[in-house]
Amino acid sequence: SQQGEEDPQALSIQEGENATMNCSYKTSINNLQWYRQNSGRGLVHLILIRSNEREKHSGRLRVTLDTSKKSSSLLITASRAADTASYFCATDAGGNNRLAFGKGNQVVVIP
Amino acid sequence: ETGVTQSPTHLIKTRGQQVTLRCSSQSGHNTVSWYQQALGQGPQFIFQYYREEENGRGNFPPRFSGLQFPNYSSELNVNALELDDSALYLCASSLPDTGIYGYTFGSGTRLTVV
Repeated sequence: SQQGEEDPQALSIQEGENATMNCSYKTSINNLQWYRQNSGRGLVHLILIRSNEREKHSGRLRVTLDTSKKSSSLLITASRAADTASYFCATDAGGNNRLAFGKGNQVVVIP
Repeated sequence: ETGVTQSPTHLIKTRGQQVTLRCSSQSGHNTVSWYQQALGQGPQFIFQYYREEENGRGNFPPRFSGLQFPNYSSELNVNALELDDSALYLCASSLPDTGIYGYTFGSGTRLTVV
């Protein structure tokens, strides 16, 4: 089964810097989604990119998708202390009614 | 009411017991999915319900079962609890076409089995 795998798994940056996380997956997808999780609580949907899209922006977030390499990246620009969280990529193969999550990226933004 | 609501937020059970977790879906969402998230791991798909019927299941044993009610709320039942069932259980609601808006997750129920 497909599964997102983020790299690196832990990232510590200074406030104002950019944070980049990568995700790879194994099979064809319908879309790929990024979620944020604070302190082991619920997941917050950040952004969804479809398989026919290459780049998408939402506020300070930029997501890219390379289906030929089966990989995606999430860039958070001008990070803030409030961005401290775990970030997960999840793939949706479409038709099988489920998301396949990676292990997550722990991001710590130091004020 | 907007958003996904889960109850209870925390629960401690003894090995061998049974537990029921509850989820109210976001207004307008008719599909509910359940995920199990062990500490330090990503969520794992348990199953999904659509129109009160199971609509896809992950690699979980039959002692994990669920229900969806006419108002689209849902329950997750786990029988014969094992220590490894200790995890955060997340409910997510969605429209059938998740390719546009994705899923809305609740805050989860943290289950501890002792």
